[in-house]
Amino acid sequence: AQSVAQPEDQVNVAEGNPLTVKCTYSVSGNPYLFWYVQYPNRGLQFLLKYITGDNLVKGSYGFEAEFNKSQTSFHLKKPSALVSDSALYFCAVSNTGKLIFGQGTTLQVKP
Amino acid sequence: GEEVAQTPKHLVRGEGQKAKLYCAPIKGHSYVFWYQQVLKNEFKFLISFQNENVFDETGMPKERFSAKCLPNSPCSLEIQATKLEDSAVYFCASSQRSGTGVDQPQHFGDGTRLSIL
Repeated sequence: AQSVAQPEDQVNVAEGNPLTVKCTYSVSGNPYLFWYVQYPNRGLQFLLKYITGDNLVKGSYGFEAEFNKSQTSFHLKKPSALVSDSALYFCAVSNTGKLIFGQGTTLQVKP
Repeated sequence: GEEVAQTPKHLVRGEGQKAKLYCAPIKGHSYVFWYQQVLKNEFKFLISFQNENVFDETGMPKERFSAKCLPNSPCSLEIQATKLEDSAVYFCASSQRSGTGVDQPQHFGDGTRLSIL
């Protein structure tokens, strides 16, 4: 069975510092991995995806993610956090098109 | 349109009543997905469509839940005889057609908050 784990319920960083939101996955076959962000009372917004190719994937709003096959991880990163990045972040794996989500990580960026 | 449109934003029903939710996918998108978000963080897949055909319904509680995507109409998700546990935010998403069907990002609507009293 395919699954995604986000080990941290919340990540706190200071504005301007780098941020990392962790994600590990378990899939059979090639992984199709995604990161989404959710702001209060809104739907999920797509940030980036890994299908194949370079292990470092660049996405929207300055976010990037590093695919590591040996560690089965797909951590989300940003070199310099903004207060406006504060939101709920979801990692997901695609299985026959449907998304299987991790439990989400709340990112809090403090000024 | 350029956004997935879900209606209504909020829906309140008494236990045992019927609830019907609507979703207009982005024009040109071939796939539609329904998800249920419970307790803020937990997303559960319900059903997906490729055009008007059911693509994957492995997440649907068969007894009370049904869904349709008919040509030239919004897609719909209907819950018969609602229960307290159906209280959740229901999200619709759409994506473009691709060769495999699994690698295109899904674009989400803002959801319908269903409250069962």
